[in-house]
Amino acid sequence: SSDLTQDPAVSVALGQTVRITCQGDSLRTYYASWYQVKPGQAPLLVIYAKNNRPSGIPDRFSGSSSGNTASLTITGAQAEDEADYYCNCRDSSAFRWVFGGGTKLTVL
Amino acid sequence: QVQLVQSGAEVRRPGASVKVSCKASGYTFTDHWMHWVRQAPGQGLEWMGIINPSGVSTSYAQKFQGRVTMTRDTSTSTDYLELSSLRSEDTAVYYCTRDVSRDDRSWWFDFWGQGTLVTVSS
Repeated sequence: SSDLTQDPAVSVALGQTVRITCQGDSLRTYYASWYQVKPGQAPLLVIYAKNNRPSGIPDRFSGSSSGNTASLTITGAQAEDEADYYCNCRDSSAFRWVFGGGTKLTVL
Repeated sequence: QVQLVQSGAEVRRPGASVKVSCKASGYTFTDHWMHWVRQAPGQGLEWMGIINPSGVSTSYAQKFQGRVTMTRDTSTSTDYLELSSLRSEDTAVYYCTRDVSRDDRSWWFDFWGQGTLVTVSS
């Protein structure tokens, strides 16, 4: 299957560490990118090419990948990190791209 | 600075078509592919398709095959998304987003338009 699977919801206490995972066969071939989506805003790239942060993204955001699983880790979550997070990668079986279903992160 | 500026909100009747534009600036337009992504109310991000830098090649998600057309005007650095036979389920915010790739394993979307709300209602 070319689908990407994410947990629908995750919560974390303020200042603690949280990992959001994304699973799919295509992740064995291609790296995931990660996007933060807040209500009423366009998606924001937070991680690309396995573990690279665009300029302006805090270093508490990091990425990793192993086998068919990509992970986004927030070390020391802040209130402003509360958002939906989506993984994306190219489909290994076709010239198309796929998003995961998204994970709603709540910071308690 | 890179900017993707999309056209304004649209309201259409079921069965009609809509065309959304995305004007790029701040970079060499023909150096990058462009993707279109949508998000329906309360739903996740959905990839719709991609157009190549010259505008002669496209690839669409199977779900939209036959209803979607992506075009590019390199003289004005503008991409277009046209969706036909609209139904209520097409009510969504539509985004253009610039493609970046590195080697053969990494692609990502680095800049996004502000989004265009398309409402399909009778």
